[in-house]
Amino acid sequence: DAKTTQPPSMDCAEGRAANLPCNHSTISGNEYVYWYRQIHSQGPQYIIHGLKNNETNEMASLIITEDRKSSTLILPHATLRDTAVYYCIVGRSGGSNYKLTFGKGTLLTVNP
Amino acid sequence: GAVVSQHPSWVICKSGTSVKIECRSLDFQATTMFWYRQFPKQSLMLMATSNEGSKATYEQGVEKDKFLINHASLTLSTLTVTSAHPEDSSFYICSAREVPGLAGGELFFGEGSRLTVL
Repeated sequence: DAKTTQPPSMDCAEGRAANLPCNHSTISGNEYVYWYRQIHSQGPQYIIHGLKNNETNEMASLIITEDRKSSTLILPHATLRDTAVYYCIVGRSGGSNYKLTFGKGTLLTVNP
Repeated sequence: GAVVSQHPSWVICKSGTSVKIECRSLDFQATTMFWYRQFPKQSLMLMATSNEGSKATYEQGVEKDKFLINHASLTLSTLTVTSAHPEDSSFYICSAREVPGLAGGELFFGEGSRLTVL
């Protein structure tokens, strides 16, 4: 699976948009970009995933560059409860090769 | 989203005993479940892939005789830590894929089970 690079930590003011970058320059054609977050001492929570096109759901937006070598997770209006470690993961889709390997992630701290 | 439940949430045991952790998919069938381990201030490390009705696939460096995995049904996988020692103390997390075989299906994670071995 391709490796990802994320900043170790970021800060964001409450109510503002949080933009979390991720580099995945070695991503292959059939690998998806997944974003999860983990609040302290809890299991990871799925946020969003995508292959090529930008994606949006009730939690966040995912912007994937045209060459697919990087992506940005956008939390449009960050709240204190969004403070968590955010993981960007690249993984194969389907079949016996499916598994997700976590990197170190980005600790996002939302400040009042 | 789909719900994955783990039990127990936390367990304390004596060194040398065995501990079983259950992982259930509550509202979907999961032919494949994954077990992760997380030490304090570290990321999740994939331990093994649990396949319903067949042997689990272990990641390199994970002792299969130490961490026994049984995936007896489409909604239940168990991880047994045998002869636990203090270094096995960790946060164990399972996950399952809601739509196996289809491209892009996301994983859903359980709440985690914190094991403390005295």
